[in-house]
Amino acid sequence: GQQLNQSPQSMFIQEGEDVSMNCTSSSIFNTWLWYKQDPGEGPVLLIALYKAGELTSNGRLTAQFGITRKDSFLNISASIPSDVGIYFCAGQWEYGNKLVFGAGTILRVKS
Amino acid sequence: DAGVTQSPTHLIKTRGQHVTLRCSPISGHKSVSWYQQVLGQGPQFIFQYYEKEERGRGNFPDRFSARQFPNYSSELNVNALLLGDSALYLCASSLDRGSFGANVLTFGAGSRLTVL
Repeated sequence: GQQLNQSPQSMFIQEGEDVSMNCTSSSIFNTWLWYKQDPGEGPVLLIALYKAGELTSNGRLTAQFGITRKDSFLNISASIPSDVGIYFCAGQWEYGNKLVFGAGTILRVKS
Repeated sequence: DAGVTQSPTHLIKTRGQHVTLRCSPISGHKSVSWYQQVLGQGPQFIFQYYEKEERGRGNFPDRFSARQFPNYSSELNVNALLLGDSALYLCASSLDRGSFGANVLTFGAGSRLTVL
C-alpha cells in the first residue's frame, strides 16, 4: 500500500527559529495536506495543496507541492510556543475522502 | 456552530467484546469518514460513507463495520475486539463525497478505545 515517509520524527527548537519538515512518497498524489494535532484533539487542517509546484502560505506557515507529486514540505517561520504539537502530512490520490497520513513530526519549542 | 462530535470520548473494553462508536457530522455535511490512529502513528483510513452508502473502505478486517443514518450521523462497530484495536478512533465529515480540490475534512476529537 501507499506509505508516506515524514521527517524529522521530532524537533526541539528555540522560540523564534524557523522550522522545516517534509514528506516523501514512492507513489504520486493528487492532493497534499498538512495537519496539526494537539493533545486530546483531532487533526486540524493547516494547508491544502492541489497542483504540482504549488506554493501556499497560511500566516507563518508555507507549504509546497513537489513537482514530481511525490513530496511536499512545510515551513514554519519564527516559531512560538503555541506551535507545539504533532504535524502530519497527508496525501490523497483517488476520488473520495481516503487520505494516507505520515507518521507525524513532533514539534517542541523552548521558550 | 458545533463541530464534529463523537461519543463516547473514552472507553475500556476487554478482548472479545464489541464496541459501537458514534459520530455526528457538522450540520450540512453529508459524508462521514472513520480513521484509526494508533499511538505514535498517523491516522489510517477505515471507511467513508456518503448518502448512507459505503463509498470507500480501507485495509481493515470484516470485524469492522459502519453505517450512516438518514440524518448523516454514523456508527462504527468493531466486533471480537483484539488488544491491537486499542486506538483513537477519529470521525471526519465533509460537505460531499470528495472531489480533488473541493473537499475539506473536519475531524472530531475522537473516541479513545482501550482493549484489555
